[in-house]
Amino acid sequence: EAGVAQSPRYKIIEKRQSVAFWCNPISGHATLYWYQQILGQGPKLLIQFQNNGVVDDSQLPKDRFSAERLKGVDSTLKIQPAKLEDSAVYLCASSLVWGSTDTQYFGPGTRLTVL
Amino acid sequence: AQSVTQLGSHVSVSEGALVLLRCNYSSSVPPYLFWYVQYPNQGLQLLLKYTSAATLVKGINGFEAEFKKSETSFHLTKPSAHMSDAAEYFCAVSDRGFGNEKLTFGTGTRLTIIP
Repeated sequence: EAGVAQSPRYKIIEKRQSVAFWCNPISGHATLYWYQQILGQGPKLLIQFQNNGVVDDSQLPKDRFSAERLKGVDSTLKIQPAKLEDSAVYLCASSLVWGSTDTQYFGPGTRLTVL
Repeated sequence: AQSVTQLGSHVSVSEGALVLLRCNYSSSVPPYLFWYVQYPNQGLQLLLKYTSAATLVKGINGFEAEFKKSETSFHLTKPSAHMSDAAEYFCAVSDRGFGNEKLTFGTGTRLTIIP
């Protein structure tokens, strides 16, 4: 079974530029998550999708971050414009169903450096 | 709000020695608790989870954790450390209520194995 795929793996941009990350979840997984992991911290949930609908985006900085999950499969997370404090690893995860006991499977992440 | 505290950002043990990684939780309702492992440049992988069945939970790679309500703890142990256990370990909590069941992660513990 293929895992969660993310691209790119690394990205370096200058502040005020835009960047987009792509995630392809495990086939058949209805729930998709985007996490931000700042160096030295645990992952923090940015947004959660159930199929193509948003379940939770309470911690997403909506003035600069946006995410979509068209057709309930792949997802894209965008930052526009980027700030220095956005430097982090962005992790995508998916789970089969929506529920607090269901295992979340994580992708390898995209490491973003904002200069 | 739910939270977890991981005691010790770095833990070093000798190969073959006991591994003990500490996690205390705070939750207004009986929680679900998780331990994840993250190897360098990889995503997070679930080690084990507590979902109110047995309080002693066995996971992959010989790890286990015990839920102690009186101590609000969910410490991770392994009887004999192996070099391949070197990684970062994250404790996470999820509320049980139906609805927004997101994971809240601790800040992580980096485990080093001494040959």
